[in-house]
Amino acid sequence: AQSVTQLGSHVSVSEGALVLLRCNYSSSVPPYLFWYVQYPNQGLQLLLKYTSAATLVKGINGFEAEFKKSETSFHLTKPSAHMSDAAEYFCAVSDPGSARQLTFGSGTQLTVLP
Amino acid sequence: DAGVIQSPRHEVTEMGQEVTLRCKPISGHDYLFWYRQTMMRGLELLIYFNNNVPIDDSGMPEDRFSAKMPNASFSTLKIQPSEPRDSAVYFCASSLAGTGGMDGNTIYFGEGSWLTVV
Repeated sequence: AQSVTQLGSHVSVSEGALVLLRCNYSSSVPPYLFWYVQYPNQGLQLLLKYTSAATLVKGINGFEAEFKKSETSFHLTKPSAHMSDAAEYFCAVSDPGSARQLTFGSGTQLTVLP
Repeated sequence: DAGVIQSPRHEVTEMGQEVTLRCKPISGHDYLFWYRQTMMRGLELLIYFNNNVPIDDSGMPEDRFSAKMPNASFSTLKIQPSEPRDSAVYFCASSLAGTGGMDGNTIYFGEGSWLTVV
């Protein structure tokens, strides 16, 4: 069975500061990994995904994540936070051999302070 | 390209009433998912379809919930009778099956149906 743990349900950063949202996964097979973002009152939007190609993945809005197999991690980062980054972020894992199911983490609410 | 379209966006209903949520997946996608999001339980997969056939409904909470996909462009999630604990955001999502390809495993979400049962 696969699972995802997001450390920190709430993260606050100042505008212009580094954003680091943590995600650790558990999977019996090499996984596919995803970060989704949810803005208030909206659905989930894909930020980026890892599908066994390059371990450093770049996504939209300046976000990137690095797959580290030895640490079973897929942390999301952005060098400089913007007010518009305030949202909830979900890490998710899927088994490439499975039928498109995603297992989501519990989410991290990012607050950006002026 | 239109994304996943859900209706209604918001619904308030009384306990005991039937609720029907509707979804139109992205054209050409052959997987369709229904998720529920609550503060307490986060995002839960309720059921998913492949080529209009239900594959796994183990996430459906109880017999009051049912889902159908009569054709490739339409699905419904029905709750009968509804209860206050069903209040949640219900997301429909779809994805494209395929061998390889960067888009093979991306799931696209609708904007959700916000259900309140009073």
